[in-house]
Amino acid sequence: GENVEQHPSTLSVQEGDSAVIKCTYSDSASNYFPWYKQELGKGPQLIIDIRSNVGEKKDQRIAVTLNKTAKHFSLHITETQPEDSAVYFCAASLYGNNRLAFGKGNQVVVIP
Amino acid sequence: DAGVIQSPRHEVTEMGQEVTLRCKPISGHDYLFWYRQTMMRGLELLIYFNNNVPIDDSGMPEDRFSAKMPNASFSTLKIQPSEPRDSAVYFCASSFPTTNTGELFFGEGSRLTVL
Repeated sequence: GENVEQHPSTLSVQEGDSAVIKCTYSDSASNYFPWYKQELGKGPQLIIDIRSNVGEKKDQRIAVTLNKTAKHFSLHITETQPEDSAVYFCAASLYGNNRLAFGKGNQVVVIP
Repeated sequence: DAGVIQSPRHEVTEMGQEVTLRCKPISGHDYLFWYRQTMMRGLELLIYFNNNVPIDDSGMPEDRFSAKMPNASFSTLKIQPSEPRDSAVYFCASSFPTTNTGELFFGEGSRLTVL
């Protein structure tokens, strides 16, 4: 089955700087790549997703890039703010298949 | 809608006791998922239902775990007997058919501690 790995496990950034989290996946058939944000004491919440027919997608300060050849995708957060501090999970699956394979998560800490 | 509702939020029990976790999905969602979150293994899919029918339970760790969905608005995850290694946060999530967005809507989780 699909295996998703995330790097780094913990990332500290100064407020206003950019944060980048990278994920790799193993199954070349995967074509759906969502990112979820989990705040303390809450469940994960979808923040952005991308399908394999595009290489990049942006939504305000967040963006996701996908490199299907190398089988990796990344989350970019620009102009980080304290409220961006959370655990971020990447995931991969075949679109329409409900078995999302999640990475183990990255703790992002934004230092004011 | 209030979102996915889980209960209890916190449960502390002793080894060998039965634990029942409950979930109310978002009205109109056809899919319901149970996940387990631990530091070591991250988010693991235990089982999911479509229209109240279990579709894939290959993630259920062992026979001590069982899940039911008697109707479209209620599901339970039961552990009997519980063991300390079952300590984790258990999440329920629901979604529309994936022909829509594929987004999972998670509840706030049930934190289980087995002593």
